[in-house]
Amino acid sequence: AQSVSQHNHHVILSEAASLELGCNYSYGGTVNLFWYVQYPGQHLQLLLKYFSGDPLVKGIKGFEAEFIKSKFSFNLRKPSVQWSDTAEYFCAVNHNNDMRFGAGTRLTVKP
Amino acid sequence: GAVVSQHPSWVICKSGTSVKIECRSLDFQATTMFWYRQFPKQSLMLMATSNEGSKATYEQGVEKDKFLINHASLTLSTLTVTSAHPEDSSFYICSAWDRGAVETQYFGPGTRLLVL
Repeated sequence: AQSVSQHNHHVILSEAASLELGCNYSYGGTVNLFWYVQYPGQHLQLLLKYFSGDPLVKGIKGFEAEFIKSKFSFNLRKPSVQWSDTAEYFCAVNHNNDMRFGAGTRLTVKP
Repeated sequence: GAVVSQHPSWVICKSGTSVKIECRSLDFQATTMFWYRQFPKQSLMLMATSNEGSKATYEQGVEKDKFLINHASLTLSTLTVTSAHPEDSSFYICSAWDRGAVETQYFGPGTRLLVL
């Protein structure tokens, strides 16, 4: 079945550590890719998106993601996390106007 | 940026009653809106896709007679949970597709439903 996989369920980092959250999908063909963040008690917000062009996408708050078509991946990265990055992160894939979400990765950043 | 609102933000109801949740796009027109359900510590599960002026498309396993969706205008979609039961207790989130802004979905703040 078509799916979106986030391999890390819960990641715990210290401030200033580098972050990489994995996201893989199983859809063939053209896809649009997204990363959303949900801070505690808040609703989903768009971090970044990829539709076409440069596979390295820069988003808000210093986040970036790289689309690797051959690996069906769209991993999220940040070189130096802050305590305020503590949140739930969701990868999403839009395939033929069908939007699917990964299970989410909870990031806890220790001060 | 674009804003999507939901009302109410949370509701408690007795088993057997019906609950209506509204989703509004405040500063853009949304021909398509989506309804999701989020269980604790789990991801969003798409329930249905709501298209303005036509019937909603429900995902497999979602009862259309249980979760009535009406998308009567370009800025409003409603989800009615009919004859609610405790197992319907969940967090319901809507999103709206802003096709005028390079096809980005904007999410509402969610509605927490507790059925007693």
